[in-house]
Amino acid sequence: RKEVEQDPGPFNVPEGATVAFNCTYSNSASQSFFWYRQDCRKEPKLLMSVYSSGNEDGRFTAQLNRASQYISLLIRDSKLSDSATYLCVVSGGGNKLTFGTGTQLKVEL
Amino acid sequence: EPEVTQTPSHQVTQMGQEVILRCVPISNHLYFYWYRQILGQKVEFLVSFYNNEISEKSEIFDDQFSVERPDGSNFTLKIRSTKLEDSAMYFCASSTRQGQFSEQYFGPGTRLTVT
Repeated sequence: RKEVEQDPGPFNVPEGATVAFNCTYSNSASQSFFWYRQDCRKEPKLLMSVYSSGNEDGRFTAQLNRASQYISLLIRDSKLSDSATYLCVVSGGGNKLTFGTGTQLKVEL
Repeated sequence: EPEVTQTPSHQVTQMGQEVILRCVPISNHLYFYWYRQILGQKVEFLVSFYNNEISEKSEIFDDQFSVERPDGSNFTLKIRSTKLEDSAMYFCASSTRQGQFSEQYFGPGTRLTVT
C-alpha cells in the first residue's frame, strides 16, 4: 500500500460547485496532516493543517478520520482560481513530510 | 509576508559536474529542509537540518549530496557529481519547529537540468 494515496483526477467542475477530495495514509503512527496546493511547475503552498478531527477555513473544510486513516478536503463555491493540484501530506512526528501524488482540479466556466 | 527564496531558478549542468543550490529560509525559522520533485512525480523528502546538523535524511540523500549553512542566512544543497536522474525541481523549505503540527513553507524551487 502506498504511504499516501490520492485519486489523481482530474476533477472537472463548474464554477460554484462543491468538490471533495479523499486521501488515505498507511502509517497509523502519523501525527500531522496537511493539504497543500501546487500550481503547475510551482512550489507546494500550505492550504490547511488538519488538527484533531478536522477544521474549516472559509470555503475549505478538512476532515480527519484516524480510525480509517483517511483525510478529506471539501471546497465549496469553487472558483476558477481554485484550479490546481491538491496534495495530501502526512508527517510521522519527525521532520519528514510524505506527499501524495496529488489530485488535479479544473474549475470551468 | 516572509518567504523562502531560492537561487538560481534554473540551473543547467553537465553530467559529472558539481552544483550548489542556494536557499534563504524565513528569518525566524530554525528547521530547514530540501525536497525534490521529478517531473510528473510526487514531492520527495531529501533531508532536514537543525542546529548545523542533519536531523533526518532519506535513501535518496546519498554520499553525492551534502547540505550546509555557511552563514546566518543561507542554506545550501550540493550535489557532488550530477547524474541524469538528478534532473528535477529542488525545493527548500523551513519551519519554526519540528514534530507535530510543524508547518513547512516552501521556496519557489530550482529547476536542475543535467545533460
